[in-house]
Parts: sequence; C-alpha cells; structure tokens
Amino acid sequence: SQQGEEDPQALSIQEGENATMNCSYKTSINNLQWYRQNSGRGLVHLILIRSNEREKHSGRLRVTLDTSKKSSSLLITASRAADTASYFCALSGGYNKLIFGAGTRLAVHP
Amino acid sequence: GAGVSQSPSNKVTEKGKDVELRCDPISGHTALYWYRQSLGQGLEFLIYFQGNSAPDKSGLPSDRFSAERTGGSVSTLTIQRTQQEDSAVYLCASSPQVRGGTDTQYFGPGTRLTVL
Repeated sequence: SQQGEEDPQALSIQEGENATMNCSYKTSINNLQWYRQNSGRGLVHLILIRSNEREKHSGRLRVTLDTSKKSSSLLITASRAADTASYFCALSGGYNKLIFGAGTRLAVHP
Repeated sequence: GAGVSQSPSNKVTEKGKDVELRCDPISGHTALYWYRQSLGQGLEFLIYFQGNSAPDKSGLPSDRFSAERTGGSVSTLTIQRTQQEDSAVYLCASSPQVRGGTDTQYFGPGTRLTVL
C-alpha cells in the first residue's frame, strides 16, 4: 500500500514542549506533504518536501525525509495550545492524487 | 481570493434518499478532488478531475456514488440511495495544476453527512 502510516496515533504534551510525529511508507515517492486538520473539517497544507530534499523548515515546523528508510518526521517546536489538531502525512507518487495516512492527534495542554 | 467552498456544511438525510454535495473550487484551479473521511479516520480518495480529461473515478466505493464537474469549475458529488455507512465528512480540494500530484491541495471546510 502507498498509504503513509503516522506514529504515534495520539500525542499529548504541555505547552512549550516539542512534538514529533513520524510517517512511514512503503513505495517510492515524488514528494511528501504534511497537513493539519482542526475539528475534523478542512485540511490546511503545512509543508511539502521533495524526494531529493532531506530537511525543510517553516516557522516552528521542521520536516525531515529519509528516503532510504522511507520515513518522514514533523517536529513542532515550542508548541502552543493552538497547535492542537490532527496531523496527516500525504504521499505523492507521481500520480494525480495524494494518499493520506490515518493521522496523529496532537493535544497541547496549557 | 476566496478559498474552496462547500455546501451544505451539514446534511442529515434518511436511509434510501439521494443527496447532492457541492464544491466551488478556487478560481483558476484546474484540478479538483473529492475525499471522504469517516470519524477518526484518514482521508479516503474518491474522485479526481483535471481540466477536460476523463475523471479518475477509481476511489468511488460503489455505483451509488457519482460526480460531475460542469464548465471546469463547480463540482457536484451525488450519492444515491444513501446507506448509514455513507455517513462521513466529504471534503473537496482543488489545486492550480497537476504535475504528478506535486501540487499543494487547498481544502474546503467539508460537508458532514449523516444518514439516519
């Protein structure tokens, strides 16, 4: 299956702590994207990392990609209560659609 | 400009009825996608439109599901003879162009469908 698998399924931390979520996959990819979803509604794109990139930053977000291990991680530094959401990785394998994993539910407590 | 919009935001229907869900993509976006998300689950791809090309219907779960996109803009997802297992949030997304799925997808707020 091309689907990414996020780990952990749920994560609970205190404000100010860092949150790390992982995504593993089985097939080759062109790029991998991370999305955030609040309250089970629309998703918001966070960051895209291409298969020839190893690390990307966007504000408090850091994404890494290890194509040899077929895994990616999303790090949120200095978390805030507003970061509480579900986070999904989505794989693009050169086909005209994204394949989403089941997501990690992050809860950041004040 | 305006983002992707979907209507209705919530729909409650009785088993066996037909429903139509609407998606207005971002103006100028040539690619449009429909996904379904059951409670606590990830997104399940349903169908994809790109310009005037034949749609990719590979994700539609049964022949009760159909979708069309008129004039390369607005799309309607139709579910006939709804079943309780159709209850889910239906999400629409659009992207400006397709390069092997590289593009960021912009999502609407979704339609929450409840089949009683």
